[in-house]
Amino acid sequence: NAGVTQTPKFQVLKTGQSMTLQCAQDMNHEYMSWYRQDPGMGLRLIHYSVGAGITDQGEVPNGYNVSRSTTEDFPLRLLSAAPSQTSVYFCASSWDREGNSPLHFGNGTRLTVT
Amino acid sequence: AQTVTQSQPEMSVQEAETVTLSCTYDTSESDYYLFWYKQPPSRQMILVIRQEAYKQQNATENRFSVNFQKAAKSFSLKISDSQLGDAAMYFCAYRPSGGSYIPTFGRGTSLIVHP
Repeated sequence: NAGVTQTPKFQVLKTGQSMTLQCAQDMNHEYMSWYRQDPGMGLRLIHYSVGAGITDQGEVPNGYNVSRSTTEDFPLRLLSAAPSQTSVYFCASSWDREGNSPLHFGNGTRLTVT
Repeated sequence: AQTVTQSQPEMSVQEAETVTLSCTYDTSESDYYLFWYKQPPSRQMILVIRQEAYKQQNATENRFSVNFQKAAKSFSLKISDSQLGDAAMYFCAYRPSGGSYIPTFGRGTSLIVHP
């Protein structure tokens, strides 16, 4: 049981490049989400999904795209990377839509945009 | 919108001593859940403890316990017999029981443990 698998662990991009951060979970979780973590800012929600085919915006969605074609996968796409997107990104999932389920996190991706 | 406030950006404690990390939140909901997560230098986010708002009894997990004051909207984490491995960033999180069910995180408290 791998839990939440997030790749890559590190990535360096040039301004204007695009890339996709991969996230997969094998726990049959309905809820999946992407956060970015910046110093002193905590975790800010980028996008989330409550099931296959359903996605919605979080607090900081600009410059990011997501899709949820299967229950297992929830990739995050950076359309045209900007230095402001330098951050650590976390994918997280939970068992159900009820609040009592804790989030299970991937190991994070450290992204640097130069 | 719900907000979660961790007023202590950094705390320090001597090994074997006790430390309390503060968290307050703002919500109009009556039913919700609260969590503390630990993020060590490895960057992995780990669930420390969970509290259901409808339960009056404070949650406890080994050396970790909470002081949940629903009326005051306060959810502090107490770490007893602190160990060097407790050094980490700690995040408080709120999650409603229904509706949007989107978790809201505080900005975190960095805990330093001195030997």
